[in-house]
Amino acid sequence: DTAVSQTPKYLVTQMGNDKSIKCEQNLGHDTMYWYKQDSKKFLKIMFSYNNKELIINETVPNRFSPKSPDKAHLNLHINSLELGDSAVYFCASSQDPGGRTEAFFGQGTRLTVV
Amino acid sequence: AQKITQTQPGMFVQEKEAVTLDCTYDTSDPSYGLFWYKQPSSGEMIFLIYQGSYDQQNATEGRYSLNFQKARKSANLVISASQLGDSAMYFCATHSGGSNYKLTFGKGTLLTVNP
Repeated sequence: DTAVSQTPKYLVTQMGNDKSIKCEQNLGHDTMYWYKQDSKKFLKIMFSYNNKELIINETVPNRFSPKSPDKAHLNLHINSLELGDSAVYFCASSQDPGGRTEAFFGQGTRLTVV
Repeated sequence: AQKITQTQPGMFVQEKEAVTLDCTYDTSDPSYGLFWYKQPSSGEMIFLIYQGSYDQQNATEGRYSLNFQKARKSANLVISASQLGDSAMYFCATHSGGSNYKLTFGKGTLLTVNP
């Protein structure tokens, strides 16, 4: 009964390929996010969606395209993968982005581009 | 824009002792929230504790408490009676009125609990 689940957990792919990471939350939250954690463990917001609408795009290259078919899902598609895209990608969701409710995170997807 | 500073890249503590992890923040918004997350070596992000800028009392959750000093813009995490399972990365984060739809994280502190 995972609250925020993302697949796959590990993804190894070659430069230039296109890949997708899927995320689903069963918490009934309105807001979902994608965060990137680099090799130094620094976490940075990439996108946030509220009720399927894009709210934040934090100067992410347009090779990254999020898609929210409904408010329970936020998938991340990455085109033309580069070595620098290697990182851990976290999906998260929260009920009230401006309030005291915390963001719940998925287990992360470790992307390695070779 | 918000900023979180965690000045301790690594900390060591003996089992059963208390430890304080430092966090200072910078925001111009009068309304903001402060969060602490734990990331064990297995990689998941675990929410620990929340403090709102208008909360009068310091937040507590079990062995975790947040030492909130608004004038100093600090939100230190105190872990009492450390356990071996507390060994992990700890991240301080904030969201504020102008940027509710994202958390801004600090660089983290790696806590090691020694037996």
